[in-house]
Amino acid sequence: GNSVTQMEGPVTLSEEAFLTINCTYTATGYPSLFWYVQYPGEGLQLLLKATKADDKGSNKGFEATYRKETTSFHLEKGSVQVSDSAVYFCALSDSPQYGNKLVFGAGTILRVKS
Amino acid sequence: DARVTQTPRHKVTEMGQEVTMRCQPILGHNTVFWYRQTMMQGLELLAYFRNRAPLDDSGMPKDRFSAEMPDATLATLKIQPSEPRDSAVYFCASGFEVQPQHFGDGTRLSIL
Repeated sequence: GNSVTQMEGPVTLSEEAFLTINCTYTATGYPSLFWYVQYPGEGLQLLLKATKADDKGSNKGFEATYRKETTSFHLEKGSVQVSDSAVYFCALSDSPQYGNKLVFGAGTILRVKS
Repeated sequence: DARVTQTPRHKVTEMGQEVTMRCQPILGHNTVFWYRQTMMQGLELLAYFRNRAPLDDSGMPKDRFSAEMPDATLATLKIQPSEPRDSAVYFCASGFEVQPQHFGDGTRLSIL
C-alpha cells in the first residue's frame, strides 16, 4: 500500500541555520504531496503542497519539490527561526476521489535554539 | 478564516464512562475525517465520511467506538465504554473534493 517515510527526529538547529527534513514515499499512480505543521497544543496546519511531478510548493520561507524520479518531497528552509519549532508531517493523498484521504508520515520534531 | 471546531478541548473521565466528542466542519466541506494521535502510534485515521455517508471506519475499534454525522454541521465520535488505552488527542478534519484537509485543534482525552 501507499506509505510515507520521514527522517527521525528530533532535529535541533540554531536560529538562522538551514533546514532539511527528508521525506520519501511509496505510491501507485500520481499522488498529491503535502507538508503539514503542528504547533504545541494545536491541530495540523497545511504548510505547502504539490500536485504533480516537478511542482515546487512554498510558504513562509519553506519549500519542497515533488521529485518523481527519487519519490521524494524534502522540506527545506534557508534560515529557521525559534518560532518554527514544531512537528512537521509529510503526507500523500491516497484517494483523491474520497476527499483527499491522506497517508501521513510519523512526523519530525524540529527544535530551534536562539 | 473558517475553522473546524471541536468540543470539548479537554476531557478527563473514569474508565467505563461514555465519551462523546463533537466536530463542526467548515461550512461547505463535504468530507470529514477522525484521527487519533498518540506518542506510540502517531496519527491514525479512525473513520471518514463523504456527504455524511461513512466511507471507511476500518481504523476504529468497532466494539466500543462509533462515528456519525447527524447533519452536515455536526460529526460525533463516541466511545462506550471508555478504557485507559483510549487516552489520546482526537482530531477532526474536514475537506472538499480534492482540496487539502483542515484540522481542528483536537480533543485531549484522558481516561483514568
